[in-house]
Amino acid sequence: AQSVTQPDIHITVSEGTSLELRCNYSYGATPYLFWYVQSPGQGLQLLLKYFSGDTLVQGIKGFEAEFKRSQSSFNLRKPSVHWSDAAEYFCAVGAVLMDTGRRALTFGSGTRLQVQP
Amino acid sequence: GAVVSQHPSWVICKSGTSVKIECRSLDFQATTMFWYRQFPKQSLMLMATSNEGSKATYEQGVEKDKFLINHASLTLSTLTVTSAHPEDSSFYICSARDQGQGAAYNEQFFGPGTRLTVL
Repeated sequence: AQSVTQPDIHITVSEGTSLELRCNYSYGATPYLFWYVQSPGQGLQLLLKYFSGDTLVQGIKGFEAEFKRSQSSFNLRKPSVHWSDAAEYFCAVGAVLMDTGRRALTFGSGTRLQVQP
Repeated sequence: GAVVSQHPSWVICKSGTSVKIECRSLDFQATTMFWYRQFPKQSLMLMATSNEGSKATYEQGVEKDKFLINHASLTLSTLTVTSAHPEDSSFYICSARDQGQGAAYNEQFFGPGTRLTVL
């Protein structure tokens, strides 16, 4: 079965510095990969997605992510963090569930980002 | 485009009552909608997959008689929490897949969520 690991539960960075949020996945085939952001009490907003092609994906709000098949990773990066980026970030894998054959998203546990002034 | 709404955004109810949450795709048709539950500071857990015109498929451990799902049209799915209890208090999020994008895309568009508090 597919799984997603976000090893960092909580990250604090200073405004203006760079950011990298880690995501590792487990899946038997090429997965569809997503990064979502969730502000407190809100739903999820898609930052970017990878389906195929160029392994460096550009998203909204200045975020990018790189798919590395050899490392089973899809890390999210931003060169200069803004205070408004403080939120919860979720990595997700879209795949066919082994037990039911249905397509579904499997989410990582999330990384909470705090931005210091 | 690809906007999903949920109503209500916040509801408080007494224990033993039933609560209905609506999920609508506003500008696209969604053959498939998904219902998630999120506990505080935790990730989203898929509860069920809702298919238009057919019965929902529930994930293991989710009581289908407690969480009734109806997907009567291509733009509306409802989740009814029956005989709600305090342990049902949670943040419920729906998502919809734009069938126009092609099934292979797997992309889901998420609603803003509904916070349910059962007293």
